[in-house]
Amino acid sequence: DGGITQSPKYLFRKEGQNVTLSCEQNLNHDAMYWYRQDPGQGLRLIYYSQIVNDFQKGDIAEGYSVSREKKESFPLTVTSAQKNPTAFYLCASSILLAGGNEQFFGPGTRLTVL
Amino acid sequence: AQKITQTQPGMFVQEKEAVTLDCTYDTSDQSYGLFWYKQPSSGEMIFLIYQGSYDEQNATEGRYSLNFQKARKSANLVISASQLGDSAMYFCAMRELGSNYKLTFGKGTLLTVNP
Repeated sequence: DGGITQSPKYLFRKEGQNVTLSCEQNLNHDAMYWYRQDPGQGLRLIYYSQIVNDFQKGDIAEGYSVSREKKESFPLTVTSAQKNPTAFYLCASSILLAGGNEQFFGPGTRLTVL
Repeated sequence: AQKITQTQPGMFVQEKEAVTLDCTYDTSDQSYGLFWYKQPSSGEMIFLIYQGSYDEQNATEGRYSLNFQKARKSANLVISASQLGDSAMYFCAMRELGSNYKLTFGKGTLLTVNP
């Protein structure tokens, strides 16, 4: 089946540790995105990438880093510089055409920093 | 200023009735797209419906329709014949021309369908 996988579903880390969230897609989409969702809030864009080896900061990139070495993969690292990392993280992908090409989302990773 | 405003934090509807979820947007672009997503308690985001700024007809997808009023900058979602499985968070989102395909989301409306 085509889709987006994120692992793990739940992640616990101690304060001060870096942690990497996985995102893989087999939809052959060019663009990939990382969003953060806090309780009762909408999604906020962290980083996005339109092609391999290229990515741009979104609205809340501070304390995060990404890489895009393969078309299928867009891992997100939450660094110790991120002041409030506990949140729900969603990865998405889309094709790069004009019009109503929606973003497809993965199941999300819920990160809790203790 | 908020680009996407959803003024209803929560809505209740009786099963089998119709419900309208409000969404207003703010953009100076002539070309943009509006999306609605559903987020059940499990967390995944499910695409429901899309409306382009140049589309003259309101979008429809099964029980979902989008009431697009361009002059008022509103894009309300109408769900007909509500079902218990419609209980979820609903998010309105916009993609503007030149936004590098980025979506801007509203804060969402929690819909509860009562039996």
